[in-house]
Order: sequence, then C-alpha cells, then structure tokens
Amino acid sequence: GAGVSQSPRYKVAKRGQDVALRCDPISGHVSLFWYQQALGQGPEFLTYFQNEAQLDKSGLPSDRFFAERPEGSVSTLKIQRTQQEDSAVYLCASSLAWGDRYNEQFFGPGTRLTVL
Amino acid sequence: RKEVEQDPGPFNVPEGATVAFNCTYSNSASQSFFWYRQDCRKEPKLLMSVYSSGNEDGRFTAQLNRASQYISLLIRDSKLSDSATYLCVVISSNSGYALNFGKGTSLLVTP
Repeated sequence: GAGVSQSPRYKVAKRGQDVALRCDPISGHVSLFWYQQALGQGPEFLTYFQNEAQLDKSGLPSDRFFAERPEGSVSTLKIQRTQQEDSAVYLCASSLAWGDRYNEQFFGPGTRLTVL
Repeated sequence: RKEVEQDPGPFNVPEGATVAFNCTYSNSASQSFFWYRQDCRKEPKLLMSVYSSGNEDGRFTAQLNRASQYISLLIRDSKLSDSATYLCVVISSNSGYALNFGKGTSLLVTP
C-alpha cells in the first residue's frame, strides 16, 4: 500500500513569506508526527496528533509554527513569516496507534524548505 | 547537551569489515531504544529495536546497557549497500512517543 506522502517535496521561500506543508499519512494511522531536520543533524520532534487532537506541540520552535489535522487524516504544518533558520527538511511520520506499546513510526520523504 | 549523543564519524571501512557504533543517552527514564537508518536525502527507516538482552538481525547486532545508558550497533561483513547514516533513537518516558534522535553516524563502505 501507499506510504506517507508529503508535498511539496521542495519549497523555496523568501524571508517573511508564509508556507504550508502537507502530509498524507498511511490510511488508518491514528498518530501523526512532525519533525524538523536541519542539515547534518538528526530529526527534532515538533508536534504530535492523535486523530484530530493535537496532544503535544512542545517542540514547535516559535508561535510562527502552527499545525493542524482537522479531520484526523491529512495534516498541514504552516510556518508564518519564514526566517532563514527555518530552512530544514520537515518530516512527517505516522503510526497505527499510540498506547502502552510502541508502534513503529513510518516517515514520509520530507519537504525540503529553503528560506532565502 | 543533547539527550542522545553519537560520534558523527564518518566511518570509512572496506567491504567485509566489522564496524561498531556507540550511542549514549542522558535520560535514565528512557524506555524504548532503536537504530534507524537514513540514506542520503531520504527519510529515516527503522533498522531495529534494541533490547537489554541484546538482539540480532542477520549481520546486525544491537545491545543496550541501561546501567551505563549506552546503546551499540555492530555490523558484520559490511556491504557497499550498508553505506548510510545510522541514527540512535530513544523514547523518553515523559512523552512515550516522541522519537529523540542522535545526530547520526555516517558510514561509508568502500570496495
């Protein structure tokens, strides 16, 4: 079946522009995660959804970052007034569920954001 | 200080060599441990989970030492296709789900 998909794959924005990054999780996956991966670093957790509920947004770096998943499926990560330090690969991951037992997180290919 | 620390490498080894990667984590309450593999410009993919009893998957062996807060990955008989970045990953009990990644260790296997 289809894996996690993300669009666009590449985005170039001028400093100050707003951007929206989309994630289509694996069908039926309850949990959805966003991570940010800067060049030469490991991914860093941004936020977590269980269905449509955003249960954890502790990793969002500033109030310019906003994520939503209104119908519990597709998610959008929005970055307002982009800055150069926002340049990174934004990875989306989904997993079947979250509970006592860890469920493998499957990653999408990422959106590479470059802010000029 | 990052919660998960790894030697970034790069490790350059010839085909057939055995190579070991190490990782330390700072949160003693961490509860789940993994190695992920990430190819250049690709997404991370789960390589294997890591258990205190140690576990093996073909040429790959992972070990966890909770007392020392230390995780290792051993790759035997290296193949060219093993060239990638290996990410040490920990889940802390305070979240229960967020993956905490190390910086990754780069491996290049040469002919």
